[in-house]
Amino acid sequence: AQSVTQLDSQVPVFEEAPVELRCNYSSSVSVYLFWYVQYPNQGLQLLLKYLSGSTLVESINGFEAEFNKSQTSFHLRKPSVHISDTAEYFCAVSVITGGGNKLTFGTGTQLKVEL
Amino acid sequence: NAGVTQTPKFQVLKTGQSMTLQCAQDMNHEYMSWYRQDPGMGLRLIHYSVGAGITDQGEVPNGYNVSRSTTEDFPLRLLSAAPSQTSVYFCASSQSGTGGYEQYFGPGTRLTVT
Repeated sequence: AQSVTQLDSQVPVFEEAPVELRCNYSSSVSVYLFWYVQYPNQGLQLLLKYLSGSTLVESINGFEAEFNKSQTSFHLRKPSVHISDTAEYFCAVSVITGGGNKLTFGTGTQLKVEL
Repeated sequence: NAGVTQTPKFQVLKTGQSMTLQCAQDMNHEYMSWYRQDPGMGLRLIHYSVGAGITDQGEVPNGYNVSRSTTEDFPLRLLSAAPSQTSVYFCASSQSGTGGYEQYFGPGTRLTVT
């Protein structure tokens, strides 16, 4: 079975500061990796994903994440956050072979951007 | 496209009552799933379906039933509600296959069992 660890339950940061949200996973087989974002009182939306190829993936709103196989990590970064980035962020994995579309989620990190 | 829709948005039940949470999608997705979200626990998979007539259990299936008679609809039934089922429930859908596809989530149903 696979598992996802998001050690930081809350991350406060000032606007225009950089931020990193940490994600580590455990799996005996190869996985796909995802970051989903949940704005208040809404469902989750895909932010970015890693399937194969370049280990650095980017989203359209300035976030990026890097897959590090040796450290089994997929940390999310943004060089300069905006107040509108305030949301909860979930890291998730699905196994490549035999897992279909089943996602295993981490417990989430609440990003709070302050003025 | 409406995407994934869920009804109701809010529901309060008494212990022992039954109800059905509705989920529908208009994207012709084969894969649909139900998650529950609890504080500090992330999202946990309850049941999923890879196509009409095919369902399977996820991580936390006890107390919940599902069926999939059409591609569009995937209702979740609580047969005898318990306070432990107080949660926010999300339905999701995606293309089916070997994985890696984006899952589209509904807006959620907030359920309270007293």
